[in-house]
Amino acid sequence: KAGVTQTPRYLIKTRGQQVTLSCSPISGHRSVSWYQQTPGQGLQFLFEYFSETQRNKGNFPGRFSGRQFSNSRSEMNVSTLELGDSALYLCASSQDPQETQYFGPGTRLLVL
Amino acid sequence: AQTVTQSQPEMSVQEAETVTLSCTYDTSESDYYLFWYKQPPSRQMILVIRQEAYKQQNATENRFSVNFQKAAKSFSLKISDSQLGDAAMYFCAYRSAHAGGTSYGKLTFGQGTILTVHP
Repeated sequence: KAGVTQTPRYLIKTRGQQVTLSCSPISGHRSVSWYQQTPGQGLQFLFEYFSETQRNKGNFPGRFSGRQFSNSRSEMNVSTLELGDSALYLCASSQDPQETQYFGPGTRLLVL
Repeated sequence: AQTVTQSQPEMSVQEAETVTLSCTYDTSESDYYLFWYKQPPSRQMILVIRQEAYKQQNATENRFSVNFQKAAKSFSLKISDSQLGDAAMYFCAYRSAHAGGTSYGKLTFGQGTILTVHP
């Protein structure tokens, strides 16, 4: 089976812009979780989607949002980008929220 | 809220030797899962090993094994016969076994331990 894929792999944006990141889970996986990784804060949970419904959300401002499509692919959106949003964004999929998560290669976002 | 602590920011080991990475966690729950993930320079997070809290037997996966001490809330990773390819950042992670609320699909990670393997 193909692993979790994330696109794009790298992004450079400027403050105030918005960005959309995409994640395609492993075939058959219906749960997708998103994490932000920074040197200062480490790995932090953003949100989780299962069957097109957001079922859990981490402690991030409303500028961070996401959605999941009927084929389980997920997107996350960050509006009004700030310098502090520069990070590696990791997506993980699992068959359901209580199963082991498998990670994609991440999208590295740089905000200038 | 659950917390995971990795007290060793960096560790080093000689090739073919054994190294142990430490992890402690805090939770009031009795059912949960613990994981070790490896993140090499490519930044791809790779699952190393998983432990169910209800199982007393320590998990093993080839050269990787854990020492799970539930009462002490300790979960260390032992890497035997270390190889150059083991060099990476290692993360300990916790996940509740309860399906609901703030538990859905959420892993809580430690700060990570950078492992260097010397030839």
